[in-house]
Amino acid sequence: GAVVSQHPSRVICKSGTSVKIECRSLDFQATTMFWYRQFPKQSLMLMATSNEGSKATYEQGVEKDKFLINHASLTLSTLTVTSAHPEDSSFYICSGGGGFDEQFFGPGTRLTVL
Amino acid sequence: AQKITQTQPGMFVQEKEAVTLDCTYDTSDQSYGLFWYKQPSSGEMIFLIYQGSYDEQNATEGRYSLNFQKARKSANLVISASQLGDSAMYFCAMREGRSGGYNKLIFGAGTRLAVHP
Repeated sequence: GAVVSQHPSRVICKSGTSVKIECRSLDFQATTMFWYRQFPKQSLMLMATSNEGSKATYEQGVEKDKFLINHASLTLSTLTVTSAHPEDSSFYICSGGGGFDEQFFGPGTRLTVL
Repeated sequence: AQKITQTQPGMFVQEKEAVTLDCTYDTSDQSYGLFWYKQPSSGEMIFLIYQGSYDEQNATEGRYSLNFQKARKSANLVISASQLGDSAMYFCAMREGRSGGYNKLIFGAGTRLAVHP
């Protein structure tokens, strides 16, 4: 299957700082990518749909000014958690590609906000 | 609105035995897709199997098969000959079909499977 990478895999930051997470499609072009958040022992919750060259579409209840998404190229989408707080600590995972019968997921980024 | 329900928070199975993980779904669309993913403790999401709503045959991938009962809106995952490495979290997910483009997945709550030697 296709490969999606995420960077960094783990990040620890102080409260109030901003953190950028990169999601790259390594061997395919992704006009659309998805960002999910997963709290411990919970399921994946879709945060937003990242669209190449246009604004992201956010799910209900997700603050677009707090979770900035940029999809400037066909192989890179970034999620920036602005002014992070401890409650933003979570596992963030992106996905893309695969057509109708598959979605390729990145390995995820574990964010800890102190 | 679409919804995925996994009613088994945890399941235990003896090594080499088969196990069924339940999944029911709700959608008003005629065209949709159902997925199963495995998530080990490392966090990566591993694709296991896919079933399209118009597929007449149940999907199979090696030791994984999907028991698709459309009228009951269920898409249970059957793992045959369980192995210790099958111990993980398993998620059922659904995509509603729309013409063109890629569609988001909605996930169930997950089932934690423990395989005992």
